[in-house]
Amino acid sequence: GNSVTQMEGPVTLSEEAFLTINCTYTATGYPSLFWYVQYPGEGLQLLLKATKADDKGSNKGFEATYRKETTSFHLEKGSVQVSDSAVYFCALRSSMNYGGSQGNLIFGKGTKLSVKP
Amino acid sequence: DSGVTQTPKHLITATGQRVTLRCSPRSGDLSVYWYQQSLDQGLQFLIQYYNGEERAKGNILERFSAQQFPDLHSELNLSSLELGDSALYFCASSVGDSLLGEQYFGPGTRLTVT
Repeated sequence: GNSVTQMEGPVTLSEEAFLTINCTYTATGYPSLFWYVQYPGEGLQLLLKATKADDKGSNKGFEATYRKETTSFHLEKGSVQVSDSAVYFCALRSSMNYGGSQGNLIFGKGTKLSVKP
Repeated sequence: DSGVTQTPKHLITATGQRVTLRCSPRSGDLSVYWYQQSLDQGLQFLIQYYNGEERAKGNILERFSAQQFPDLHSELNLSSLELGDSALYFCASSVGDSLLGEQYFGPGTRLTVT
């Protein structure tokens, strides 16, 4: 079945440090890939997405490239801020109707990021 | 603000009870999805409705059911509650067919079963 694996947290960084959160996936067909962010006490917000191989999603300084050869979608940011402290979820949406699950999101476990001033 | 609203924000109830969670999708969105977020299971898809009809089912227990009404709001019913049902329940909506458009999440309902 489809699944998403992302690096365990928590991740603690100093302000202006470089961020990488690893995400790999298993899926049949050509899934769409997403990064969602959950700030404390809030719901999930879509951060960025990519719908086909080699696409790069970007938003608010965050980037992730859809790598089909390595089945990865790692999240990166060149210089994190305290306001980036949140939980980050990698997710996929299948392109195939697998057991009636087409369209729903499959999430990784989430990675908690804490950025210190 | 995603435009998706969920009520109530918090719910505390006892084992064996039944509760109803409500979700109003963004204006114009026809699909509603329900997800459960728990510490041990993470974020899991429960069920999807599209324009009033069940579209897809995930890891939803038989004690749980949902429906989408003609005005497109949705309700998730949880019955015979157990301690393990304590979780954050999110609703999301999207504009149409499952492969089109992004899913926008509501703020969630935190359910505590005591």
